Amino acid sequence: LAKTTQPISMDSYEGQEVNITCSHNNIATNDYITWYQQFPSQGPRFIIQGYKTKVTNEVASLFIPADRKSSTLSLPRVSLSDTAVYYCLVGDTFAGKSTFGDGTTLTVKP
Amino acid sequence: GAGVSQTPSNKVTEKGKYVELRCDPISGHTALYWYRQSLGQGPEFLIYFQGTGAADDSGLPNDRFFAVRPEGSVSTLKIQRTERGDSAVYLCASSLGRTGVDTQYFGPGTRLTVL
Repeated sequence: LAKTTQPISMDSYEGQEVNITCSHNNIATNDYITWYQQFPSQGPRFIIQGYKTKVTNEVASLFIPADRKSSTLSLPRVSLSDTAVYYCLVGDTFAGKSTFGDGTTLTVKP
Repeated sequence: GAGVSQTPSNKVTEKGKYVELRCDPISGHTALYWYRQSLGQGPEFLIYFQGTGAADDSGLPNDRFFAVRPEGSVSTLKIQRTERGDSAVYLCASSLGRTGVDTQYFGPGTRLTVL
């Protein structure tokens, strides 16, 4: 599975847009990119998944450049409740095994 | 609808004891996963079931750990002769088990403390 690298922590303020970038230089052709959010004392929660270009849903956007060696999770207008750990995963989802890194701790301040 | 449930939510045991952790996946999900998460770290893969069979158990740390899913639904993670280092949150996830886009849905976890 492709190894991922993301910042350990990020700070932001309410109402700002937050972009978290993940590097995955060894991504394989069959690999998808998936982002999860985790609050304390809860299991990770799926945010968004993509293969290439841009994906948008009701909570976030995912930008993937043509070489797919990185991806950026974009959270528009964050609120205090977006304070959480965000994980970037890369892999063939049907392969079953998912390798989580240590994630990015996002702290949103008032 | 009902999500993934795990019982118990907390388990305190003594070193050397045997414990069982239960996972009830989302109905209809053929794939089931177990992870272990230590404080400040991301979830660590343990084992993955497709139906009743373990498709990948490469993450089980040693032979004290074993998991079953006899009817392809509920799964039990079993830990023998527990050690203090086994203390962690044990997470279960389930998914439809299809190729390509296959989202894993996680339960709240079981916090295991080995004294």
